[in-house]
Amino acid sequence: DTEVTQTPKHLVMGMTNKKSLKCEQHMGHRAMYWYKQKAKKPPELMFVYSYEKLSINESVPSRFSPECPNSSLLNLHLHALQPEDSALYLCASSPGLAAYEQYFGPGTRLTVT
Amino acid sequence: AQTVTQSQPEMSVQEAETVTLSCTYDTSESDYYLFWYKQPPSRQMILVIRQEAYKQQNATENRFSVNFQKAAKSFSLKISDSQLGDAAMYFCAYRSAVKDMRFGAGTRLTVKP
Repeated sequence: DTEVTQTPKHLVMGMTNKKSLKCEQHMGHRAMYWYKQKAKKPPELMFVYSYEKLSINESVPSRFSPECPNSSLLNLHLHALQPEDSALYLCASSPGLAAYEQYFGPGTRLTVT
Repeated sequence: AQTVTQSQPEMSVQEAETVTLSCTYDTSESDYYLFWYKQPPSRQMILVIRQEAYKQQNATENRFSVNFQKAAKSFSLKISDSQLGDAAMYFCAYRSAVKDMRFGAGTRLTVKP
């Protein structure tokens, strides 16, 4: 199984809502990542988890809150988002933090109204 | 700092012909990995090919091959016998043991029937 799954596929939320994005992998990978991707741009790294611990937070606003409940699951909790946060949110995993390729999920298309 | 440059925002190829996408990078590290990812309109990032910097032999995956010139810091992707399904955004990416994935701006490839 070389698949990273993400739910939901699409999400529309108001600026006062609280929602969560979910990511799951069953490849035994120990590093997981959240990226934000705006249209026609490359992905931008948001967070990195290694062995279920937050390793990197790329100065992301606190309205984005990551969580790694176990080695297979990664959540991104959203609260009080702004319209400019509308984007494709991609999850990825890799065997470790070293120079391995990353495997991406299909993404969640988020629209903030 | 590591930067990845893709100088061709858009490329076009006739079906069954060959096309080469360019990528250059800047680094002071000696040990690193380079990748090409494909992102079709379905938006999932798919790993196309990977090259380890310490390997002199160019990587090949079926119709996809790279021309890795370490001294010139160049990493181009050649797609042979182009197919309609190859139409996508292609991202060149760099990663080292101590640095996270860095993506180029992307090249949009159109395949004409």
